[in-house]
Amino acid sequence: QKEVEQNSGPLSVPEGAIASLNCTYSDRGSQSFFWYRQYSGKSPELIMSIYSNGDKEDGRFTAQLNKASQYVSLLIRDSQPSDSATYLCAAGTGQVGSGPNSGYALNFGKGTSLLVTP
Amino acid sequence: EAQVTQNPRYLITVTGKKLTVTCSQNMNHEYMSWYRQDPGLGLRQIYYSMNVEVTDKGDVPEGYKVSRKEKRNFPLILESPSPNQTSLYFCASSPRLPGITDTQYFGPGTRLTVL
Repeated sequence: QKEVEQNSGPLSVPEGAIASLNCTYSDRGSQSFFWYRQYSGKSPELIMSIYSNGDKEDGRFTAQLNKASQYVSLLIRDSQPSDSATYLCAAGTGQVGSGPNSGYALNFGKGTSLLVTP
Repeated sequence: EAQVTQNPRYLITVTGKKLTVTCSQNMNHEYMSWYRQDPGLGLRQIYYSMNVEVTDKGDVPEGYKVSRKEKRNFPLILESPSPNQTSLYFCASSPRLPGITDTQYFGPGTRLTVL
């Protein structure tokens, strides 16, 4: 079973602090990783993707990938109350399809609940 | 506006009464999929489709059927719903397999209760 593990939380951080969300994955063959944000009762929204080891920054968000440790993280700088949501980590695992339409299916973690307090 | 629509948004039904949840996207995406989300279990894929007339099982396909007769539509069919199919369902679409693309759009969700 290809698993993606996240701490369910809740992770509570004060407004303006850095929130650090972590994720580990079991399939060493995973090549792509994604972070989705999901507000309560709403659909998931893709906020970051990362494919190579290292850091990738987009505004207040930084995704970090360490394939040797099978570890992905999401840092949110200057956290705001509007960042309070559940964050889903997903890994592209398991070859699907063939030829030009081949790729990886997504395997989601169960999500980490983040609460940013004013 | 690029979007994925699902209908109905909320449905309460009884065991054994066939139902269909529709999903439509207006982005000409090839890949569509259905997920269910349950507390403590996260988001799990039910079925996916890589193009018209091409569908395959995801992680939890039992009790569900799908069809992809047109590129834009991907309905989810529950032939004989049971209470364990009470869940929040999401349809999603992307131009390519979501594991290799930065773009995957989710529909607003359908909350299904089977009594």
